[in-house]
Amino acid sequence: GENVEQHPSTLSVQEGDSAVIKCTYSDSASNYFPWYKQELGKRPQLIIDIRSNVGEKKDQRIAVTLNKTAKHFSLHITETQPEDSAVYFCAASNSGTYKYIFGTGTRLKVLA
Amino acid sequence: EAGVTQSPTHLIKTRGQQVTLRCSPISGHTSVYWYQQALGLGLQFLLWYDEGEERNRGNFPPRFSGRQFPNYSSELNVNALELEDSALYLCASSRNIEQYFGPGTRLTVT
Repeated sequence: GENVEQHPSTLSVQEGDSAVIKCTYSDSASNYFPWYKQELGKRPQLIIDIRSNVGEKKDQRIAVTLNKTAKHFSLHITETQPEDSAVYFCAASNSGTYKYIFGTGTRLKVLA
Repeated sequence: EAGVTQSPTHLIKTRGQQVTLRCSPISGHTSVYWYQQALGLGLQFLLWYDEGEERNRGNFPPRFSGRQFPNYSSELNVNALELEDSALYLCASSRNIEQYFGPGTRLTVT
């Protein structure tokens, strides 16, 4: 069935370092890959997304890369700050069903 | 632009009871999605409504149901509550493929 694996489940980095979170999806029809940030007690917030027709997308300190052949995509956060601490979720979807399959989340802690 | 809103914020129910959760999408959004987020777990897809119709359903029993109204707001109904239904229920809305989430309803079943 459809599945998205996400690693690592927890990640601690020093402030200013980079963080990388990786996801692998199973449904080859997936063509849309959003990333959400969920702070404690708050709603998931869409922070960046990528469609299957591009390999990389960047927005200030965050970037996402996509390898369709290997069916994996990654979130990169550079120059991490304490306010980046949150749970990050990846998801895969296709424009036919619009159904999101989420990864299990990565708890990122940025240590000051 | 107002975001997705959900009510109530918190709810405590007893096993066997029924519950109704409500969601109002962002203005102009016609699709509403429901997700269950159990403690420490990811988001599990429940239901997708678009233009008043159920378009897709996740792997949940039939006691999870819902509907979408002509103004695109939506209800999620859960019958015969079980302890494992305790979770944060999140609603999201979209106009295209990007989904925007509401703050959720935290349901506790005792």
